[in-house]
Amino acid sequence: EVQVVESGGELVQPGGSLRLSCAASGFTFSNYPMSWVRQASGKGLEWVSSIGDGAGSTYYADSVKGRFTISRDDSKSTLFLQMDRLRAEDTAVYYCTKAAGQQLGGQSCYHMDVWGKGTTVTVSS
Amino acid sequence: QSVLTQPPSVSAAPGQKVTISCSGSSSNIGNNCVSWYQHLPGTAPKLLIYENGKRPSGIPDRFSGSKSGTSATLGITGLQTGDEADYYCGTWDSSLSVWVFGGGTRLTVL
Repeated sequence: EVQVVESGGELVQPGGSLRLSCAASGFTFSNYPMSWVRQASGKGLEWVSSIGDGAGSTYYADSVKGRFTISRDDSKSTLFLQMDRLRAEDTAVYYCTKAAGQQLGGQSCYHMDVWGKGTTVTVSS
Repeated sequence: QSVLTQPPSVSAAPGQKVTISCSGSSSNIGNNCVSWYQHLPGTAPKLLIYENGKRPSGIPDRFSGSKSGTSATLGITGLQTGDEADYYCGTWDSSLSVWVFGGGTRLTVL
């Protein structure tokens, strides 16, 4: 079964750090880009960060750029999100997602085909 | 304010049809593929439509997607109470080099 399982979410004080993990199974992890998406209570889905297959490229939302770092360990089929200088507005459920798709005639035709159940990050004093 | 614009809510009776629009620009929808996601509270979001109009295995043909210019549309026919959820469109924005989601549309099946 193809699945991703997040862990690491907890209560942390503003200004603190946290590292989320995402364990993947059922597919060749190294072949696929991966992403983190979050949802604050009462809000919509917000893309946070993506990493290409082979870790060649990383991308970040402006809201987390310079504070969050995405990485992957292909030998362990695990995705990470290092979150530093956390703010109250980072409080959310964080989802790990697997990407699929391809570049088609110059168009980006990727999509998020596998989602985890999420891990909750609460930033509060 | 989301880069992609969706109506906050839509509603229809069981058995009826509904459409959800997603409006963007040439840097996102206009030049990249659109995908749609269904999200029930407390569960993992689920991929409904990819590459504008393709359905993953297991998604019934009651769900359809289309794209024209800088807009995309999700259609759901034969509405069921189990379809009540939040629906999101998503795509890559080539100018910003970021993934973007619409603000989400809450579907109510009356």
